[in-house]
Amino acid sequence: AQSVTQPDIHITVSEGASLELRCNYSYGATPYLFWYVQSPGQGLQLLLKYFSGDTLVQGIKGFEAEFKRSQSSFNLRKPSVHWSDAAEYFCAVGARGGADGLTFGKGTHLIIQP
Amino acid sequence: NAGVTQTPKFQVLKTGQSMTLQCAQDMNHEYMSWYRQDPGMGLRLIHYSVGAGITDQGEVPNGYNVSRSTTEDFPLRLLSAAPSQTSVYFCASSAGSEQYFGPGTRLTVT
Repeated sequence: AQSVTQPDIHITVSEGASLELRCNYSYGATPYLFWYVQSPGQGLQLLLKYFSGDTLVQGIKGFEAEFKRSQSSFNLRKPSVHWSDAAEYFCAVGARGGADGLTFGKGTHLIIQP
Repeated sequence: NAGVTQTPKFQVLKTGQSMTLQCAQDMNHEYMSWYRQDPGMGLRLIHYSVGAGITDQGEVPNGYNVSRSTTEDFPLRLLSAAPSQTSVYFCASSAGSEQYFGPGTRLTVT
């Protein structure tokens, strides 16, 4: 069965500091991997996705993620966070872009300190 | 394009009542899914559909029914609401590269 683990429930980062959110997955085939962001009371916005090719993918809002097959990881990074990045972040895995649904991690709550 | 729309935005039910959460998409996407989101649990897949007339169960299907008579619509039915079904429900559609999510329905069962 597929699964996604986000080890950090909460992360606090100072504004302007760098950020890395961890994601480990278990999947039997070549995974489609996603990072979504959710602001309080809002829906989900796709930050970036990985299917194949270059293992370093660029997304919106200055985020990037690196796929490491040997470590079953897909960590999200940003070189310098802004107060507006405070939100809940979800990593997800699935087949065919989610055609038969996605499996989500439990999320990481990002707090930005001034 | 309106994308993925969900109605209602908010709903309060009493235990035992039934209702249907509506989901529609205007992108001609073949694939649609329903999720529920509970605090600390992320999103969990309830049911999904890979095309009109084809549905299947996800991780947490008990207490919910779905049907897909058209490409555009994918309603989720609660047969007899229970307090454990208090949650935020998200519908999503996909053409096979990523999922597009609706704004969600916040359901409270008392």
